[in-house]
Amino acid sequence: KAGVTQTPRYLIKTRGQQVTLSCSPISGHRSVSWYQQTPGQGLQFLFEYFSETQRNKGNFPGRFSGRQFSNSRSEMNVSTLELGDSALYLCASSRESRGDVDTQYFGPGTRLTVL
Amino acid sequence: GESVGLHLPTLSVQEGDNSIINCAYSNSASDYFIWYKQESGKGPQFIIDIRSNMDKRQGQRVTVLLNKTVKHLSLQIAATQPGDSAVYFCAEIHTGGGNKLTFGTGTQLKVEL
Repeated sequence: KAGVTQTPRYLIKTRGQQVTLSCSPISGHRSVSWYQQTPGQGLQFLFEYFSETQRNKGNFPGRFSGRQFSNSRSEMNVSTLELGDSALYLCASSRESRGDVDTQYFGPGTRLTVL
Repeated sequence: GESVGLHLPTLSVQEGDNSIINCAYSNSASDYFIWYKQESGKGPQFIIDIRSNMDKRQGQRVTVLLNKTVKHLSLQIAATQPGDSAVYFCAEIHTGGGNKLTFGTGTQLKVEL
């Protein structure tokens, strides 16, 4: 079974631009979560989607948004990029999240550099 | 507030020795704990998990111990190998809080030949 895939793997943008990152979960997984990883803040939760609905949201500004499609694929968008948005953005999928927890499996991440 | 912290940022061990990586957590409502391994250029890889109703769980060469009294979690790796060199993160979830993982800061494990 194929793992979580993320595209693109690397991205360079300039301040003020916007970016869209894509994540394809493991087949059969319905929950997709996004995390930001930086040397200073570590791994921080952005949001989680399940059945095309945002179920949880972390403490990030409204410039960070996401969505999930009917096939469970997910995208996240960052508008008006700032230098501090440079990070590794990780996507994780799990089979289901209905009051119980399931193991989250991570993709390789998208390395975003904002110049 | 919620926090999951690690005692040591770097751990160096000799090949063949056992490794112990520690983690402290502060959210007493946490009921599910996971250890992840992250190699350079890759996403975190699931190693082992444990629920709060257990105090020990074993996998292949790895054991996780949970002490809820002092809110402490540890990962033991037996016969450490060069391929074990990576950053190890503990993470916790509070069931009822959705599928949100709260990660510790990570420990760099270096295996010396």
